[in-house]
Amino acid sequence: QSLLTQPPSVAGAPGQRVTISCTGSSSNIGAGYDVHWYQQLPGTAPKLLIFGNINRPSGVPDRFSGSKSGTSASLAITGLQVEDEADYYCQSYDSTLSGYVFGSGTKVTVL
Amino acid sequence: QVQLVESGGGVFQPGRSLRLSCAASGFTFSAYFMHWVRQAPGKGLEWVALISYDGSNKYYADSAKGRFTISRDNSKNTLYLQTNSLTVEDTAVYYCARDQESGSGTAHNWFDPWGQGTLVTVSS
Repeated sequence: QSLLTQPPSVAGAPGQRVTISCTGSSSNIGAGYDVHWYQQLPGTAPKLLIFGNINRPSGVPDRFSGSKSGTSASLAITGLQVEDEADYYCQSYDSTLSGYVFGSGTKVTVL
Repeated sequence: QVQLVESGGGVFQPGRSLRLSCAASGFTFSAYFMHWVRQAPGKGLEWVALISYDGSNKYYADSAKGRFTISRDNSKNTLYLQTNSLTVEDTAVYYCARDQESGSGTAHNWFDPWGQGTLVTVSS
């Protein structure tokens, strides 16, 4: 069971806005460790989407945005597109485990 | 361009040994920490291990401690993951990923890029 909890699935129509939550605790997100997000398209390797809570790598559309507050973080996708159908994972560090942790993953479906 | 290519996967019997490789190109391999991450079929991502620039420091997930060994050969630009006793729970796609420094300490770092992964299936 992951220390970072994400909803198993979210869905939205094209053009809509969806958000994915990533809920942690005082030993990871709440301890101040950065949160990063990855997109995994079907059958492919994960790809970095957001780093350092809010930053987009070059080439990532500005439809994707990240935020962090307290023991949680969120990924928002505005103007949802068909090609955004994928699994999304948050990632941080946990001081109790002394290791990196990933969220449980969220499948985004475009209706 | 930056590229990571894993190899060494396949079908293995429980109890057998395994060595995975990750060939790096397009960047100065010896200047980066490197990770192994795995993903069981239909499951989420699980961090396995991290190794420092020169291999002098190694860090493992609890599930990997005592069972897996991460190593590297900077002269060959290659990362390795070895285990001497596979179990069915080790069935997964194994990815190598480059560590990206945040400037705020290793705990704040992220993984970019990732290799395409190599599938390890453990079955009798």
